[in-house]
Amino acid sequence: DGGITQSPKYLFRKEGQNVTLSCEQNLNHDAMYWYRQDPGQGLRLIYYSQIVNDFQKGDIAEGYSVSREKKESFPLTVTSAQKNPTAFYLCASGGAVRGGETQYFGPGTRLLVL
Amino acid sequence: AQKVTQAQTEISVVEKEDVTLDCVYETRDTTYYLFWYKQPPSGELVFLIRRNSFDEQNEISGRYSWNFQKSTSSFNFTITASQVVDSAVYFCALTPWNTGGFKTIFGAGTRLFVKA
Repeated sequence: DGGITQSPKYLFRKEGQNVTLSCEQNLNHDAMYWYRQDPGQGLRLIYYSQIVNDFQKGDIAEGYSVSREKKESFPLTVTSAQKNPTAFYLCASGGAVRGGETQYFGPGTRLLVL
Repeated sequence: AQKVTQAQTEISVVEKEDVTLDCVYETRDTTYYLFWYKQPPSGELVFLIRRNSFDEQNEISGRYSWNFQKSTSSFNFTITASQVVDSAVYFCALTPWNTGGFKTIFGAGTRLFVKA
C-alpha cells in the first residue's frame, strides 16, 4: 500500500539528548515536510524539502535539523537546543516540485520530555 | 500578512443536524491554494479538498460541500446530516504562491462534536 510511515509512535527524550524522528514515503513524491502541532493549535512548518539533497527552513526551524539523502526519507532530529520539544510531529509529502500541491500526512510521532 | 482564521474553536451538534465550519483567509497573492483537512482522534490529517484561487465553483462531495467566496476571502465547509463519525478537528489551510507554493499556513482548527 502507498503511504507515509512515521516512527516511533511515541518518543521520550531526556534533557540534553538529541532524538531523531523517522519519516518514509512510497508515494514517489518529490516534496516532503515536517510540522509541529501543540495542543489546541494548528500546524506550524519546521522544515520542507522540494527535492533530494535540498531543504529549507520553515517558520520554527530553530532547534531542529533535517536531511534528505533519499527521495523516500526525510528524518527530523530534535536537538538539545530545542527547549520545548514536547509536541505532536507530523510528516507530510506532496506530489510536484512546483508546489501548491496537496500534502498527504503520516500518522505522527508524539514526543515527550522526561 | 498571510493568515487563516477559524473563529469557531468548538462546535457541538446532534446527529443529523447540518453544520458549517467557517474559514477566513488573508493573502496578497493572486495565486494561492486552499485546503480542508480532517484530524480524527488518531491524529493523522486526512485530506478533504483542494481549491486554487481561480476556481470559485462550489463543490459537493456526498454530505460535504464547500463554498469559496473570494469577495469575502472565505472558504466555508458544510456537513449535511452530520454523523458521529464526523467528530474530529477540522483544519483550513492556505498555500500562497509567493513563497514558491511550499509554505502552508494552517488555521487553529475547529473541533466538531457530533452527539448521537
